[in-house]
Amino acid sequence: SAVISQKPSRDICQRGTSLTIQCQVDSQVTMMFWYRQQPGQSLTLIATANQGSEATYESGFVIDKFPISRPNLTFSTLTVSNMSPEDSSIYLCSVTRLAGGLMGEQFFGPGTRLTVL
Amino acid sequence: AQTVTQSQPEMSVQEAETVTLSCTYDTSESDYYLFWYKQPPSRQMILVIRQEAYKQQNATENRFSVNFQKAAKSFSLKISDSQLGDAAMYFCAYRSDTSGTYKYIFGTGTRLKVLA
Repeated sequence: SAVISQKPSRDICQRGTSLTIQCQVDSQVTMMFWYRQQPGQSLTLIATANQGSEATYESGFVIDKFPISRPNLTFSTLTVSNMSPEDSSIYLCSVTRLAGGLMGEQFFGPGTRLTVL
Repeated sequence: AQTVTQSQPEMSVQEAETVTLSCTYDTSESDYYLFWYKQPPSRQMILVIRQEAYKQQNATENRFSVNFQKAAKSFSLKISDSQLGDAAMYFCAYRSDTSGTYKYIFGTGTRLKVLA
């Protein structure tokens, strides 16, 4: 498996501001993903973070609202921009290796709980 | 497009008893993986069990087993000898083995309560 940490674990923000969430993995991984999980709901994929290139966004999510960086194989950031109360959610980072044991399986970080006032 | 359906928003089971969580999916692909993930109140998603579509044998992991019916597109999770620590949200997930994206599609989840 992989050990994944996220910072911050939680935050309370004012509307109109931005928050950057960090995801750090203890070893190199092939793919990194960002999910949103609204209270009591399932996970919705925001985007695939690509190392060295622009992220691939899912329908309904745009780069201006959720800019993503992935400078190397162990680190990624997700920024939630110009926040509104509707952005209140848990944001989860997940990773996948495409070689070795458990190939293709996703492992998840502990999540960041965001509350926007 | 693929979809995953969990029709049981909430289930309860008595400690030490057995419970089955349902999951159905829709796909036109023949190669894929199915997963059950557990999300306790701490939020950490934990892989419980996985099933490769090409395998006819049902996967088992200790007290957890699946009933994989490929023709019916059904993938249920059986938890035997339920323990208090099994209380969590359980998500069924699908992953295509042909798209090359490794993206997961999650069901809406089933909240499992374990009664002492």
